[in-house]
Amino acid sequence: NAGVTQTPKFQVLKTGQSMTLQCAQDMNHEYMSWYRQDPGMGLRLIHYSVGAGITDQGEVPNGYNVSRSTTEDFPLRLLSAAPSQTSVYFCASSRGRRETQYFGPGTRLLVL
Amino acid sequence: GENVEQHPSTLSVQEGDSAVIKCTYSDSASNYFPWYKQELGKRPQLIIDIRSNVGEKKDQRIAVTLNKTAKHFSLHITETQPEDSAVYFCASNSGGYQKVTFGTGTKLQVIP
Repeated sequence: NAGVTQTPKFQVLKTGQSMTLQCAQDMNHEYMSWYRQDPGMGLRLIHYSVGAGITDQGEVPNGYNVSRSTTEDFPLRLLSAAPSQTSVYFCASSRGRRETQYFGPGTRLLVL
Repeated sequence: GENVEQHPSTLSVQEGDSAVIKCTYSDSASNYFPWYKQELGKRPQLIIDIRSNVGEKKDQRIAVTLNKTAKHFSLHITETQPEDSAVYFCASNSGGYQKVTFGTGTKLQVIP
């Protein structure tokens, strides 16, 4: 199993550009989440999904969109990138509500 | 929403000593409390978790205690080793879905 994979590993954007961060898992997990990690602020939840077709907002959803058309994939879209979105983004998946979250390797995003 | 506070933000211990990291949470409905370890440049990985129906759980040198009345839980690492140096995050779930809130992290340094 590849576990949770994320692409790209690193991306530089200009303010106003859009892009999609890809996340996929091959463990047949129902629950998937996107977090951003900033120095001194821990991991903050952006959006999460409890199954295909079901998504909900987390703590910091503004400026991001998600969709979940399949169990395997959970892409995160930045609509119009801003310097405040410079961060490391982690995707995670788990089997259930009270189960281990498995994280992807992360995407480092720099918005100029 | 859930608020998770974690202390201390940094912790230095001599090799062989014990380390304790404490977290408090606000949502009385929370019932799952994982701890993640993140080494520099790597993804977070679960090291131990506890559910609300138990007060303590141990796994070799690592233990977690939970006090639901006081809404706090702690990570205890005994006989620390240099490879324990990392950032540790506590977390708790809340609500009806997998909405996990993380603490801001503790940077543990074990001095040889």
